[in-house]
Amino acid sequence: QVQLVQSGAEVKKPGASVKVSCKASGYTFTSYVISWVRQAPGQGLEWMGWISAYNGNTNYAQKFQGRVTMTTDTSTSTAYVELRSLRSDDTAVYYCARVVTPYWYFDLWGRGTLVTVSS
Amino acid sequence: SYELTQPPSVSVSPGQTARITCSGDALPKQYAYWYQQKPGQAPVLVINKDSERPSGIPERFSGSRSGTTVTLTISGVQAEDEADYYCQSADSSGTYVFGTGTKVTVL
Repeated sequence: QVQLVQSGAEVKKPGASVKVSCKASGYTFTSYVISWVRQAPGQGLEWMGWISAYNGNTNYAQKFQGRVTMTTDTSTSTAYVELRSLRSDDTAVYYCARVVTPYWYFDLWGRGTLVTVSS
Repeated sequence: SYELTQPPSVSVSPGQTARITCSGDALPKQYAYWYQQKPGQAPVLVINKDSERPSGIPERFSGSRSGTTVTLTISGVQAEDEADYYCQSADSSGTYVFGTGTKVTVL
């Protein structure tokens, strides 16, 4: 079954870091790019960046540059996003999504991981 | 970066046609995609490359383009179509933008 399974909800304090995982199954992990998209409560979708599972190349949205790192572990077909220096407005559901290149759209999504930042 | 603008809400009676627009200066250069998102769920692709319908998406969903505006049309709206809809585009380097989102309410 082709799917992306994300890690569970997290609660973090302001200033901390969070690392969310996304495990792929049912397809060749290294043939695709994985992107991360977040959605704050009641808000729209916000693209954070992507990582190529083939060669590790990344492209981060300007808003997150310097604060985000995306990585992959090809041995376990897992992608990760780490966000540092968390603030309350980082509270959101974080989604991983598989990217269809060269058209750059998302054809498969994880179910999302809620990250709550609160003191 | 650029923006994609959508109307915040569209209301439609069952069986009628809903049209959701998405406007942006960079749209003429890139394909647009549409996603449906129901409460508590991940988005689902309903239109790709402006007007193609992925496998499993009902025929009542269609997409079109005119200049700097793309449109998602839902013909014969059903209660199950009540959701948020987002357009999306990306430049050739894979820098993405999402539209502001439209809530479709079925009266």
